[in-house]
Amino acid sequence: EVQLVESGGGLVQPGGSLRLSCAASGFTFSNYWMSWVRQAPGKGLEWVASIKQHGSEKYYGDSVKGRFTISRDNAKDSLYLQMNNLRAEDTSVYYCAMFGSAWDLGYWGQGTLVTVSP
Amino acid sequence: QSALTQSRSVSGSPGQSVTISCTGTNSDVGAYIYVSWYQHHPGKAPKLMLYEVTKRPSGVPDRFSGSKSGNTASLTISGLQAEDEADYYCCSYAGSYTLIFGGGTKLTVL
Repeated sequence: EVQLVESGGGLVQPGGSLRLSCAASGFTFSNYWMSWVRQAPGKGLEWVASIKQHGSEKYYGDSVKGRFTISRDNAKDSLYLQMNNLRAEDTSVYYCAMFGSAWDLGYWGQGTLVTVSP
Repeated sequence: QSALTQSRSVSGSPGQSVTISCTGTNSDVGAYIYVSWYQHHPGKAPKLMLYEVTKRPSGVPDRFSGSKSGNTASLTISGLQAEDEADYYCCSYAGSYTLIFGGGTKLTVL
């Protein structure tokens, strides 16, 4: 059974940093593109970033480009999101998700809440 | 890049059918077959319901179907059931390895 478990969320001040982790199990992690998607309170889903199987290619949404870095450790079956220079508008539940074969996100974690506030 | 456009809410009675639309542009929905739909019960993990416009993952009932015409994709749920009440999001590949989501539609089963 595919499982994705996010951790690392919490309260951080504007301008601060946070690193999210996603522990994957139940599938061969190194074979799949992975992604982070977020949902601000009362808002819809927003694609944040994606990373290719071996981490050689990374892609970001415009709202986080230059501030967030996606990475992975295939030896640890883990996905990460380093978030720097955080803003109030980054307050969201952050989901880790696994890509399927057709630019779809076949499996998602339960999410971790990041709150950016003084 | 603006979100894909979805109606904010839709409702139907048990057993009825509802259709949720998702309008994008020639650069996303209109350009690719890679449109997917997600069901999201608040507080839970989103669930993939359709991919490549019409394909259902294993375990998704055939009450869920999809279509696309031009820049607009649609999700139809037939034989509405109480457990279908949720938020639904469309998503499209938008080129250059990026994705774009719709704003979400809240489905209420009356």
